Order: sequence, then structure tokens, then C-alpha cells
Amino acid sequence: DAGVIQSPRHEVTEMGQEVTLRCKPISGHDYLFWYRQTMMRGLELLIYFNNNVPIDDSGMPEDRFSAKMPNASFSTLKIQPSEPRDSAVYFCASSLGVGGSYEQYFGPGTRLTVT
Amino acid sequence: GENVEQHPSTLSVQEGDSAVIKCTYSDSASNYFPWYKQELGKGPQLIIDIRSNVGEKKDQRIAVTLNKTAKHFSLHITETQPEDSAVYFCAASNNYGQNFVFGPGTRLSVLP
Repeated sequence: DAGVIQSPRHEVTEMGQEVTLRCKPISGHDYLFWYRQTMMRGLELLIYFNNNVPIDDSGMPEDRFSAKMPNASFSTLKIQPSEPRDSAVYFCASSLGVGGSYEQYFGPGTRLTVT
Repeated sequence: GENVEQHPSTLSVQEGDSAVIKCTYSDSASNYFPWYKQELGKGPQLIIDIRSNVGEKKDQRIAVTLNKTAKHFSLHITETQPEDSAVYFCAASNNYGQNFVFGPGTRLSVLP
């Protein structure tokens, strides 16, 4: 398997613009997670899905952030409008979540810079 | 909510020596404790994990210990090698691998 795929790998945008990050989980995984990593706050869970349904979005910082999972093989994280403080590395991860396998497999991340 | 602390924030050891990283958690209901290694420019990768019904687990040069009473767990790396240099994160979950709360990370440098 190719692992978790994220695109783009790097995104530079201006404040106020809409940003869409994309993720393809590992085939067969039932759980999908979005994380944000910054020097100040470390790794933070933003939202996670089980079988395409959002389960916990309490980590989403504000209404400017939204996430969708229209099918088992694709998810998006959207920021609208973007602000400089959104600059971070955003990771997508997936896991089987059944049969006692809790390992989360992380993608390579998207480095977002908002100027 | 859960709070995970991790120490030290940086650690330098000579090649061949052992390294120990310690974490504490606050939620007594936490039941799953993974350790992730993150290399520069990559996503975190699981290296070992332990569940609340086990006190110790070992995988070659890596071991993890859990003290539920004291709410702390530790990562032990023996015979360190330069390729062990990375940032290590501990995490805790109270619903078996879903809501991970990560520690702030430890930057390990193994000096040749």
C-alpha cells in the first residue's frame, strides 16, 4: 500500500484566501484523523471520522475550519478565510480501529504558510 | 481533559548508551499509550505501544514501562545508534486509540 497520501505537500497563500488540504487514507481503514503541528502547541487533534462520519470535532479551532469525508477514500480540511496564525504542518492519519489495532498511520503532512 | 507531560525536551547521548524519556498523564481512564518517532520532514511513526493491562513491553532495543498508579510511562532505548536521532512523542488515549493527546516531544540526538 502507498500509505496515507496528502496533497499538496506545501501551500503558500495570502491571508483571507481559502485553503483546501486533501487526504487519501489507507484502503480499509475505518478511522481518519486530522492533526495540526506547530512549535508552540505541538501535535493537536483537530477532528476524526469513523466510517466517514465525524465523531469528534472539539479540536477544530474555530468556524473558519471545516472538514469533510465524502467517501472512504477521501477527506478534505478547509480553512476559509485563512490567517497567518494558521501556518502549521497539517497531518492526516488513518487507522483500522477494529480487532485491537489502534496504530495510527500518518501521512507526510502539508506545510501551510499564510502570509 | 487529558494532559500529557514529557521530559526531557532535549536529550543527547553517546552512540551505544541508553536513552530514557518519561511521560506523565492526568486522566486515570487512559488505557492506551503509544510512542511515535518523527524524523525531519516526515509524519510521526509508531515505534511501540502499551495498553493499560500491561506493565512492560519490549521490542528489540526499545522498551516501554507503564505505572498506572503513578500515571507515568517511559520509553527506553538501549544501544543507541545515530539513526535513532529524531523527535519522540508519547501519547495517551482514553478510548483505545481514538482521541490521542500527545506530549510536547523530546528531541533525541545520538552522537557518534
